[in-house]
Amino acid sequence: EVQLVESGGGLVKPGGSLRLSCAASGLTFSRYSMTWVRQAPGKGLEWVSSISSSYSNTFYADSVKGRFSVSRDNAKNSLYLQMNSLRAEDTAVYYCARDSGYGDSFDYWGQGTLVTVSS
Amino acid sequence: QSVLTQPPSVSAAPGQKVTISCSGSSSNIGNNFVSWYQQFPGTAPKLLIYENNKRPSGIPDRFSGSKSGTSATLGITGLQTGDEADYYCGTWDSSLNAVVFGGGTKLTVL
Repeated sequence: EVQLVESGGGLVKPGGSLRLSCAASGLTFSRYSMTWVRQAPGKGLEWVSSISSSYSNTFYADSVKGRFSVSRDNAKNSLYLQMNSLRAEDTAVYYCARDSGYGDSFDYWGQGTLVTVSS
Repeated sequence: QSVLTQPPSVSAAPGQKVTISCSGSSSNIGNNFVSWYQQFPGTAPKLLIYENNKRPSGIPDRFSGSKSGTSATLGITGLQTGDEADYYCGTWDSSLNAVVFGGGTKLTVL
């Protein structure tokens, strides 16, 4: 069974940093591109960032470009999101998700981790 | 505003059919596959439809997807109270170089 478990969320002050992790199990992690999607309280889904299976390609939403950095460690079956210069509008539940490989769809999602940016 | 436009809410009676629309442009829906997700409050989204009209294993055939031009539609037949959830469409946007989602549609089964 595929499992994705996020961690690292919490309360951080504006301008601060946070590193999210996503531990994957039940899949050959190195074969899949992975993605972060966030959801602000009471709002819809927002794609944040994706990374290819072989580390070679990374993609970012304009709203986080230059502040967030996605990475992965295939040996540890883990995905990361380094978030710097955090703003109030970054407050959201952050989900990691597996790219299915079919039409930019995401077939497995973690339970999410809440990031709150507030003074 | 979301790049993809969905109605904020739809409703129908148990046993009936409902459709949820998702409108975009040539840079997204018009030239890329559409996927659909179901989300219950406090839980992660779940993939319902990928590549416009394909269902992952375990998704009942009550759920269907279609695409025409720059719009896509999710159909749900034989509505059940357990289908009450938020539904999102998503696709790649070739101009933005980003995955984009619709704003979501809340389904109420009356």
